[in-house]
Amino acid sequence: GQNIDQPTEMTATEGAIVQINCTYQTSGFNGLFWYQQHAGEAPTFLSYNVLDGLEEKGRFSSFLSRSKGYSYLLLKELQMKDSASYLCAVRSSARQLTFGSGTQLTVLP
Amino acid sequence: ETGVTQTPRHLVMGMTNKKSLKCEQHLGHNAMYWYKQSAKKPLELMFVYSLEERVENNSVPSRFSPECPNSSHLFLHLHTLQPEDSALYLCASSQETSGGRSYEQYFGPGTRLTVT
Repeated sequence: GQNIDQPTEMTATEGAIVQINCTYQTSGFNGLFWYQQHAGEAPTFLSYNVLDGLEEKGRFSSFLSRSKGYSYLLLKELQMKDSASYLCAVRSSARQLTFGSGTQLTVLP
Repeated sequence: ETGVTQTPRHLVMGMTNKKSLKCEQHLGHNAMYWYKQSAKKPLELMFVYSLEERVENNSVPSRFSPECPNSSHLFLHLHTLQPEDSALYLCASSQETSGGRSYEQYFGPGTRLTVT
């Protein structure tokens, strides 16, 4: 089966750094994705990791450890517009993308 | 039009109705997906059409029926739905290669479905 865990909610202050963790147990692995979803909108792609290590893209970075079944999304210099749900998703070998329940991030002024 | 579009954006239907959701992608992708998003639940993959191959989730009830006439269009036909089927239905597309390399999925805005 597929199991993806991430915290339900997180709160941080504008300008701060926040790390959203994701652990997974899946029957096959072909990459891990992070998506951002604002309320009432479609998810938008943030990052993709298939090899161990850190991928940096502007204020956002994503880390993967395949041996630990662990990933995190790091958001720096938080802005109010970063308030959204962040979805961790794992691609299994069967062309299936399994999503976690999402982490609702609230950025406070 | 650019990206992935979905119509209608909102749909209210009775349990005896038949309706269809439409998705169109303008990205030249070769894979399309239907997802269901219910409140407080993870996005749930319903159907995939990839490289002319249909992959479906066996837990999807037969009252949902997908149709993919070509690589740019995807439909979800609905009939005799139940109130618990009320949810946001998202369409997505991606570019898949025969080698299995994963590319990100681009999502449409979704259809908010309410079954009364």
